Amino acid sequence: AQSVTQLDSQVPVFEEAPVELRCNYSSSVSVYLFWYVQYPNQGLQLLLKYLSGSTLVKGINGFEAEFNKSQTSFHLRKPSVHISDTAEYFCAVYTGGFKTIFGAGTRLFVKA
Amino acid sequence: GAVVSQHPSRVICKSGTSVKIECRSLDFQATTMFWYRQFPKQSLMLMATSNEGSKATYEQGVEKDKFLINHASLTLSTLTVTSAHPEDSSFYICSARVEAGTEAFFGQGTRLTVV
Repeated sequence: AQSVTQLDSQVPVFEEAPVELRCNYSSSVSVYLFWYVQYPNQGLQLLLKYLSGSTLVKGINGFEAEFNKSQTSFHLRKPSVHISDTAEYFCAVYTGGFKTIFGAGTRLFVKA
Repeated sequence: GAVVSQHPSRVICKSGTSVKIECRSLDFQATTMFWYRQFPKQSLMLMATSNEGSKATYEQGVEKDKFLINHASLTLSTLTVTSAHPEDSSFYICSARVEAGTEAFFGQGTRLTVV
């Protein structure tokens, strides 16, 4: 069975500081990995995805993530955050069936 | 990317009544749609997988008679919360996947409040 662990439930950070949101997964088969962002009372928006190829993936809003197969991780990073980045971030795993498995979410709170 | 439209975005209903939530794929055909429930400050919980033209597959613990799912066409799936109670109040989100693709597209979500 697949699972996704987001190691931090909340991450407070000052504006313009770098941030890393951590995600680890477990799976016995190849996976596709995703990061989604959710603003209050809205659905999920795809930030970036890893399907194959380069392990460093760049997404929207200046975010990037690196797939590390040996550590089964897919951490999300941004070199300089803005107030508008305050949101809930979900890491997700898809194994080629139809189900997507989500992590518990990390609340990013950017302070002025 | 593809667009999934969910309606309504917010609904308040009285206890005992039924509420229907629509999920439409606007620019692609979705043979499979998914319905999630999200409690405050928690992750998405998959409720059921909806397949066009066939019965939905419900996750363990989800009441089929309580949450009726219909996927009548390749662009529309509906979730009906029957005889709603306050404990059904939640944020419901649908998503759809292009058959051969790997990315799921999400609707905007519906905030259901049962009073």
